[in-house]
Amino acid sequence: QVQLVQSGAEVKKPGASVKVSCKASGYTFTAYYIHWVRQAPGQGLEWMGWINSNSGGTNYAQKFQGRVTMTRDTSISTAYMELSSLRSDDTAVYYCARDLYWADYWGQGTLVTVSS
Amino acid sequence: EIVLTQSPGTLSLSPGERATLSCRASQSVSSNYLTWYQHKPGQAPRLLIYGASIRATGIPDRFSGSGSGTDFTLTISRLEPEDFAVYYCQQYGISPGLTFGGGTKVEI
Repeated sequence: QVQLVQSGAEVKKPGASVKVSCKASGYTFTAYYIHWVRQAPGQGLEWMGWINSNSGGTNYAQKFQGRVTMTRDTSISTAYMELSSLRSDDTAVYYCARDLYWADYWGQGTLVTVSS
Repeated sequence: EIVLTQSPGTLSLSPGERATLSCRASQSVSSNYLTWYQHKPGQAPRLLIYGASIRATGIPDRFSGSGSGTDFTLTISRLEPEDFAVYYCQQYGISPGLTFGGGTKVEI
């Protein structure tokens, strides 16, 4: 069965960076894009960008341009999202999700807390 | 950039009742790329409907999607206790990739 398993919760100080991983199983990793979506406390879903798991090409939301980097390691079927220059309003649950036009499978979410 | 506006913000209903959720786009959206999700606290979002009206695998037939152009609707014909959640519409575009509506909370 298709599974996306994300890395565990993180606590970071303002100005630091965080890297969240998303390990895929149950399908051909390179056949699907991976999106990253976040949800801040009390807020809705916010798309951050996608990575083409085959080519490594990326498309980032304008809001995160310059602060986000999405990469993948096809040898271990894992996608990564790194967010730098963290601020308190980056505190959120970060999800990875599969596919391009919509997201049919999602990771369990990773809570990133930014606090001094 | 297309903006998706969902209404109402909150829908207060009882089990067995019908829920009608609206998603309005600021400009025309391809029906192929209009999607609905269910999101419960502490869980990942769940794909309900894609292509505006196609139920995802395992989704009960009490969930249905309709609409075209700028107006789309998610209908839950008879609410079950497990249907109380937040529902999001989403559209795909070249830039940005995915756009989500603000969500509709269906509460008891």
